[in-house]
Amino acid sequence: AQSVTQPDIHITVSEGASLELRCNYSYGATPYLFWYVQSPGQGLQLLLKYFSGDTLVQGIKGFEAEFKRSQSSFNLRKPSVHWSDAAEYFCAVGVFSGGYNKLIFGAGTRLAVHP
Amino acid sequence: EAGVAQSPRYKIIEKRQSVAFWCNPISGHATLYWYQQILGQGPKLLIQFQNNGVVDDSQLPKDRFSAERLKGVDSTLKIQPAKLEDSAVYLCASSSRTGGGLDEQFFGPGTRLTVL
Repeated sequence: AQSVTQPDIHITVSEGASLELRCNYSYGATPYLFWYVQSPGQGLQLLLKYFSGDTLVQGIKGFEAEFKRSQSSFNLRKPSVHWSDAAEYFCAVGVFSGGYNKLIFGAGTRLAVHP
Repeated sequence: EAGVAQSPRYKIIEKRQSVAFWCNPISGHATLYWYQQILGQGPKLLIQFQNNGVVDDSQLPKDRFSAERLKGVDSTLKIQPAKLEDSAVYLCASSSRTGGGLDEQFFGPGTRLTVL
């Protein structure tokens, strides 16, 4: 069955430090992968997506992610975290079912940023 | 461009009562989704509409949940009767083309439901 695992429930980093959020997926076919961010009281906003091609994808707000097929991973990174990055981050895989594509989300990683 | 609108933002009801949520997607978006996000979990798709037709409702608890999208625009999600485990944030999202999952889904702010 298709699934997404985000091993870290909470992560705390200092402002200016680098960040890596882990994501592992389980899907038999070529995955379409996404990272979303959710700020308190807000809906989800797409940070970046991977469909094919270059395995390192750039997104908004200075985020990037790298697709590694051999590890079934799609980790999110940022070289220098800002206080405004504190939020919850969701990894998702797009799966093909019943003629349509749908998203399956991981449980999320909550990021706290210390000043 | 206006985003996805949802109302109400918050709702508190007692178990066995009924509740309805409303969603207005981005203008022109053909695909509309309702997700349930329980505290500590990621969003789970409840139902997906393509225009005004249902294309996936495999995870919708049909004994108590119903949804409609009249005229292929606005949508309502209803719970009747509510149970304690229905406490969650209900997110509406829309995307512009068929096949949904490959297209960016734009999310509304959600409705936080508390069932007492």
